[in-house]
Amino acid sequence: GQQLNQSPQSMFIQEGEDVSMNCTSSSIFNTWLWYKQDPGEGPVLLIALYKAGELTSNGRLTAQFGITRKDSFLNISASIPSDVGIYFCGGETSGSRLTFGEGTQLTVNP
Amino acid sequence: GAGVSQSPSNKVTEKGKDVELRCDPISGHTALYWYRQSLGQGLEFLIYFQGNSAPDKSGLPSDRFSAERTGGSVSTLTIQRTQQEDSAVYLCASSAGGKQYFGPGTRLTVT
Repeated sequence: GQQLNQSPQSMFIQEGEDVSMNCTSSSIFNTWLWYKQDPGEGPVLLIALYKAGELTSNGRLTAQFGITRKDSFLNISASIPSDVGIYFCGGETSGSRLTFGEGTQLTVNP
Repeated sequence: GAGVSQSPSNKVTEKGKDVELRCDPISGHTALYWYRQSLGQGLEFLIYFQGNSAPDKSGLPSDRFSAERTGGSVSTLTIQRTQQEDSAVYLCASSAGGKQYFGPGTRLTVT
């Protein structure tokens, strides 16, 4: 099956810092999705990307669909304590199910 | 509108017993997924239903695991003869337009 490599696995940052995480694959995807999971909750969709090169923002979050269609990144600017959680990328191609990365555990120190 | 709901939210069972976990997807969503998540781990794909097509069962870890989706809506994940390693959070998601929406999960503890 398709594999997604998400990095880093974990990040420890100070409040106010910017954060970047990414996902790469050997396969081409038509859709990239970014999710955040708070403790004890299901993942919540943050940003959806549908076109190569697309750059989309959602508040302090910005995500891009790589031009090669094999990668995507998520940036969080000016982090705050409530940004703590696990961030997952997901990639989908037509006719195939969504594949998730292993997640990035983000810790924000106040 | 209503999101994906799952029941029960927590389930404690004895080793060897069967359990059924329920998922009510968002109305009109044709795709439904089940995932398993161990503490601090990623999302382990279990099974995928898409419309009337045969389900993709490639992620089911053993023949003790099975799932049904009745009438293209509600789904039930059944685990027979539970083992301690089955303890995890079981997440359901439904999908439309390429976006998956997750339920809150069922935390299963096998004692």
